[in-house]
Amino acid sequence: AQKVTQAQTEISVVEKEDVTLDCVYETRDTTYYLFWYKQPPSGELVFLIRRNSFDEQNEISGRYSWNFQKSTSSFNFTITASQVVDSAVYFCALSEAGSYIPTFGRGTSLIVHP
Amino acid sequence: SQTIHQWPATLVQPVGSPLSLECTVEGTSNPNLYWYRQAAGRGLQLLFYSVGIGQISSEVPQNLSASRPQDRQFILSSKKLLLSDSGFYLCAWSVDGGATYEQYFGPGTRLTVT
Repeated sequence: AQKVTQAQTEISVVEKEDVTLDCVYETRDTTYYLFWYKQPPSGELVFLIRRNSFDEQNEISGRYSWNFQKSTSSFNFTITASQVVDSAVYFCALSEAGSYIPTFGRGTSLIVHP
Repeated sequence: SQTIHQWPATLVQPVGSPLSLECTVEGTSNPNLYWYRQAAGRGLQLLFYSVGIGQISSEVPQNLSASRPQDRQFILSSKKLLLSDSGFYLCAWSVDGGATYEQYFGPGTRLTVT
C-alpha cells in the first residue's frame, strides 16, 4: 500500500528565510508519480509539480525547488527567500501507475511572517 | 484551456435536509472526476471518483452519494445531512489515464450542517 508522510504539521518562518517542506513516501511499485499542491487560505488546491519515478533530476522554478531522492524515498520542497504570499498548506501526493487514486499526505501549514 | 466550476461556494443546511453539490469541467473530454472532503485539520478524504459516465466508485461508506449524468458533470448528494457532514468539499479532475496525471481542483464548497 502506498503512503505519504509529511511529518511537519506547521512551520513558521520570517519573510526572506528559506524553508524546506519534507515529504517521505512508501510504495512497492517501481513506477509511480509524485506531486506537490498548494492550498492558500482561499481553499482551492493548486498543482505545483509532478515528478515520475524515473526522473530524479531536481527541479527549480523561480523561488521553488524540489529534491527527489529515491534512495531515501523523499521528495522535498524548498522555498527560497520566502514571502508572505507563500503562506499556505502544502500537500505532497503519490500515485502508483495504473491507480486512479492518489494518496495525499496530511499537509504542512507554512506561515510566513512579515 | 480547462476550467472547473463548483457551486455553491458556501452552504448552511439543517440536519436532515438534502444536499446537492455540482461540479462541471470545461475544455476537456472524458476526465477522471473526484470528490474530496476536507474537515478541520486539513486532511483530504477521497469520497468518490469516476472514470466515465455512470461509473462511480465509493471510497468511504456514508450517507453521501455521487452521480455523473454527463461526461463533465459530477454531482454529490445526500438525502439527509448529518452534523458530521460539515466540511469543505472539493471537486477535482484529471486527464484520463489513471492517477498518472495531476489533479486540478475546483474552488470548493464550504458546508455547515446546523
